Amino acid sequence: DAGVIQSPRHEVTEMGQEVTLRCKPISGHDYLFWYRQTMMRGLELLIYFNNNVPIDDSGMPEDRFSAKMPNASFSTLKIQPSEPRDSAVYFCASSISTYNEQFFGPGTRLTVL
Amino acid sequence: AQSVTQPDIHITVSEGASLELRCNYSYGATPYLFWYVQSPGQGLQLLLKYFSGDTLVQGIKGFEAEFKRSQSSFNLRKPSVHWSDAAEYFCAVGNFGNEKLTFGTGTRLTIIP
Repeated sequence: DAGVIQSPRHEVTEMGQEVTLRCKPISGHDYLFWYRQTMMRGLELLIYFNNNVPIDDSGMPEDRFSAKMPNASFSTLKIQPSEPRDSAVYFCASSISTYNEQFFGPGTRLTVL
Repeated sequence: AQSVTQPDIHITVSEGASLELRCNYSYGATPYLFWYVQSPGQGLQLLLKYFSGDTLVQGIKGFEAEFKRSQSSFNLRKPSVHWSDAAEYFCAVGNFGNEKLTFGTGTRLTIIP
């Protein structure tokens, strides 16, 4: 398997623009997680899905952030409108079941100017 | 709420020397614990995990960790480090009944010749 795939790897945008990050989990994995990593706050869980259903979105910073998982092989994290404080590395991870290892993608480095 | 503390932000070790990275967790129930490694520009990779049973667990790349319930610790060790071990190391804790992991703030490891 190719592992968790994220695109784009780097994104530079201007404040106010819409940003869409994409993730393809490992085939057969039931759980998908979105994380954000910054120097100040470390690694934060934003939202996670089980069988395409959002289970916990309590980590989503505000209404500007939204996430979807239309099918088992694709998820998006959208920021609209983006702000400079959203600059971070965003990771997607998947796992086969509860209590198992989460496999991380390479991340998307987002810079909002 | 569960929490993870990695008290060392940055550690420098000579190549060939032994290594111990500290991790303390706070949670009332029996946790399950992970150590992940992140190389620059990469996602997180699992080194080892503990769910139950033998409190000394072996992982990849020659790493091991020991779960000590009395000290609420899960320290990572390696008898002899290699230059390729330079990376950031994250401890994570979860609890049965909840799919979410809580990550520590990470320890950056520098290896000197």
